[in-house]
Amino acid sequence: GEDVEQSLFLSVREGDSSVINCTYTDSSSTYLYWYKQEPGAGLQLLTYIFSNMDMKQDQRLTVLLNKKDKHLSLRIADTQTGDSAIYFCAESLENTDKLIFGTGTRLQVFP
Amino acid sequence: ETGVTQTPRHLVMGMTNKKSLKCEQHLGHNAMYWYKQSAKKPLELMFVYSLEERVENNSVPSRFSPECPNSSHLFLHLHTLQPEDSALYLCASSQDATEAFFGQGTRLTVV
Repeated sequence: GEDVEQSLFLSVREGDSSVINCTYTDSSSTYLYWYKQEPGAGLQLLTYIFSNMDMKQDQRLTVLLNKKDKHLSLRIADTQTGDSAIYFCAESLENTDKLIFGTGTRLQVFP
Repeated sequence: ETGVTQTPRHLVMGMTNKKSLKCEQHLGHNAMYWYKQSAKKPLELMFVYSLEERVENNSVPSRFSPECPNSSHLFLHLHTLQPEDSALYLCASSQDATEAFFGQGTRLTVV
């Protein structure tokens, strides 16, 4: 089946690193994505990784993919208060137009 | 600004009303989507249009009726909704099922 799971909440201190985790069940995923949703806004694509890659780094963001364990993580270095938002993990499946999303992880950054 | 515009941003409607949500994309994409976002639930894919043809209908009740008159516009017609249909409705577009770009959403409240 198609299922993407995330923990609901993460709280970190400003300046620390945040790690948001995601697990998925479908092995036919082609791309895996991280989206950010700020209050009152739609989803904004942060970064994505192709399923045959292990890691992708983009400035403060590091995406790690363990395809064997079907585990995806997003690490935000030097977390800032502006990073407070809900982060959604999503996967796209082979030969479809579907994106399967997790429930989202609410990241709260405190001073 | 993601290139995907949704109107209205907020909508309150009675259970006997008929209303429509509008989505417009300026990205030249060939696929458009409607998603429903409810609190503490995974983002639910409702409809997918690829090249202006509906390719997916995820068991959505008939009180939601999509329309895609051209590749840049997508509508969601609503009638006789229920209070449990209150949610954030997100439109997205993509090119060839790669990363999706989302609008800011319409916050719908059914009273």
